[in-house]
Amino acid sequence: EAQVTQNPRYLITVTGKKLTVTCSQNMNHEYMSWYRQDPGLGLRQIYYSMNVEVTDKGDVPEGYKVSRKEKRNFPLILESPSPNQTSLYFCASSLGGLGEAFFGQGTRLTVV
Amino acid sequence: RKEVEQDPGPFNVPEGATVAFNCTYSNSASQSFFWYRQDCRKEPKLLMSVYSSGNEDGRFTAQLNRASQYISLLIRDSKLSDSATYLCVVRRTMEYGNKLVFGAGTILRVKS
Repeated sequence: EAQVTQNPRYLITVTGKKLTVTCSQNMNHEYMSWYRQDPGLGLRQIYYSMNVEVTDKGDVPEGYKVSRKEKRNFPLILESPSPNQTSLYFCASSLGGLGEAFFGQGTRLTVV
Repeated sequence: RKEVEQDPGPFNVPEGATVAFNCTYSNSASQSFFWYRQDCRKEPKLLMSVYSSGNEDGRFTAQLNRASQYISLLIRDSKLSDSATYLCVVRRTMEYGNKLVFGAGTILRVKS
């Protein structure tokens, strides 16, 4: 089954404790991206990757890092989480950035 | 001003009603247009693409007006299962690829 898998689905953490949210897709898509969704603001792009070892900032990259060492994986790293990073996070992939975007099930992160 | 603007709603309609959502976008370089559906805090899923000539998929009709930078979605004979948030999405070409820009969404509640 074609899918994008995120883990964990839910996470409560404390300020400053490094965390990683994993994202994996099995569709051989080149293009992957991370979004955060906050009430009234919609989905905002954090980082995107056009292919292995090619990443770039989206609209709200501050406080986040990503890596793309393999085509299927695109982890999101919060080196020092802060409460303003409490949000619902989605990973998405698409074929070359032109096709339909497929989303993971989301990660609800709370930073206290 | 947001690049993609939608009326947040909620639109509360009875079953069987016809309801229309509107969306405006500000960047004239936008090339492709979509409606995504998002059920309560789940991942967005593609509902339909929007073409210049207008397109229909069952009870759903999408229209695009490039001159006015305006996109619409019409739902006929609303069902309870249509209750969701509808996201207006535009794609535009960047220097190094494509970018999806999401509206904040319009909430639809269909009641019996």
